[in-house]
Amino acid sequence: DGGITQSPKYLFRKEGQNVTLSCEQNLNHDAMYWYRQDPGQGLRLIYYSQIVNDFQKGDIAEGYSVSREKKESFPLTVTSAQKNPTAFYLCASSNPGQGTEAFFGQGTRLTVV
Amino acid sequence: GDSVTQMEGPVTLSEEACLTINCTYTATGYPSLFWYVQYPGEGLQLLLKATKADDKGSNKGFEATYRKETTSFHLEKGSVQVSDSAVYFCALWVRGGYNKLIFGAGTRLAVHP
Repeated sequence: DGGITQSPKYLFRKEGQNVTLSCEQNLNHDAMYWYRQDPGQGLRLIYYSQIVNDFQKGDIAEGYSVSREKKESFPLTVTSAQKNPTAFYLCASSNPGQGTEAFFGQGTRLTVV
Repeated sequence: GDSVTQMEGPVTLSEEACLTINCTYTATGYPSLFWYVQYPGEGLQLLLKATKADDKGSNKGFEATYRKETTSFHLEKGSVQVSDSAVYFCALWVRGGYNKLIFGAGTRLAVHP
């Protein structure tokens, strides 16, 4: 079945470490997005990408990095520069040209220990 | 800039009560509008959408009408169930330039038997 897959579901990071969250889609969507969700709060856009090899900063890009080397993959790296990385991270994809909805993965919960 | 404003929660209702969650938006272009639902520990699922003025989206007993004159997209349901307890997000997508989805802060709904 087509869909969007995030891994791992739970991730623990020591302070000072970089970690990479995986996001893969087989929907043939051009656009992909990363959002951060804190408890009881809405979604904040970290990065988004409209096409391969292109991406744009969202509202809270500091301390994060991404790459878009393949259409189906959009990994997010949480660097040691991110001071408060504990959160729920959501990846999404869409075909924006038609105004179609975004499909979301099941999320990765990152905890700093 | 483009933005979405939702009523604050939590909204607490008894089973079979009527639901309205207000959503208004600001957009420079002609947005498509969406309602997403998030169950605990999961990603977001599309609930309904509308792509032009006066369109009505509907799904699982929920409805929302795209009102351009009032820039609103309120979510309604005539009779809620305990299983409707979740967080609801209003979102918009504006064509042109670098397309991106913009979400409201989310409204938590709790339905009691």
